[in-house]
Amino acid sequence: QVQLVQSGSELKEPGASVTISCKASGYAFNNYPMNWVRQAPGQGLEWMGWINTNTGNPTLAQGFTGRFVFSVDTSVSTAYLHINSLKADDTALYYCAREGELLHYFDYWGQGTLVTVSS
Amino acid sequence: QSALTQPRSVSGSPGQSVTISCTGTSSDVGAYDFISWYQLRPGKAPKFMIYDVNRRPSGVPDRFSGSKSGNTASLTISGLQAEDEADYYCCSYAGSPIFGGGTKLTVL
Repeated sequence: QVQLVQSGSELKEPGASVTISCKASGYAFNNYPMNWVRQAPGQGLEWMGWINTNTGNPTLAQGFTGRFVFSVDTSVSTAYLHINSLKADDTALYYCAREGELLHYFDYWGQGTLVTVSS
Repeated sequence: QSALTQPRSVSGSPGQSVTISCTGTSSDVGAYDFISWYQLRPGKAPKFMIYDVNRRPSGVPDRFSGSKSGNTASLTISGLQAEDEADYYCCSYAGSPIFGGGTKLTVL
């Protein structure tokens, strides 16, 4: 069965960087785009962007350009979210989400990775 | 793009029906039939409930249904069960995905 398993919670100081992994199994990783979604504390879901898992080409939403980097390693069926120069308001739950075959929806999600930025 | 508008909370008793609205604009909800709904429960991966306004993925009970009228999409849950208690988010497409603010469903 399809599974997306994300790496564990992270506690980081402001200015540090963090990498979240999202390991896919149960399907052909290259065939489906991977999206990233953020949920800040007490807030709703916010789409961060997506990465073409075949070409590695990322598309980041407005507000996520610059410090946020998407990448994939197809040899291990894993997508990564790297955040540089962490700020307190990066504190959030980050989800990876597979885009469905017919596009425009997310049919499988990771369990989420909590990133806490605090000194 | 602003988040789509959902009620902060709804509630219902077991067996009843509830409807969660999701209001956008003619540029998002009104423009496309790419409406999807997601169920979020603490500590669990979000679950995909509805896509393309009213299509149910396999495994989602037919108690869950979706609809759209103009700039407002809706998720209706009939025959409420305790396990339905969760946060629900709508998502539309307007060149890129845009989520609603989320609705907390309480089963009384």
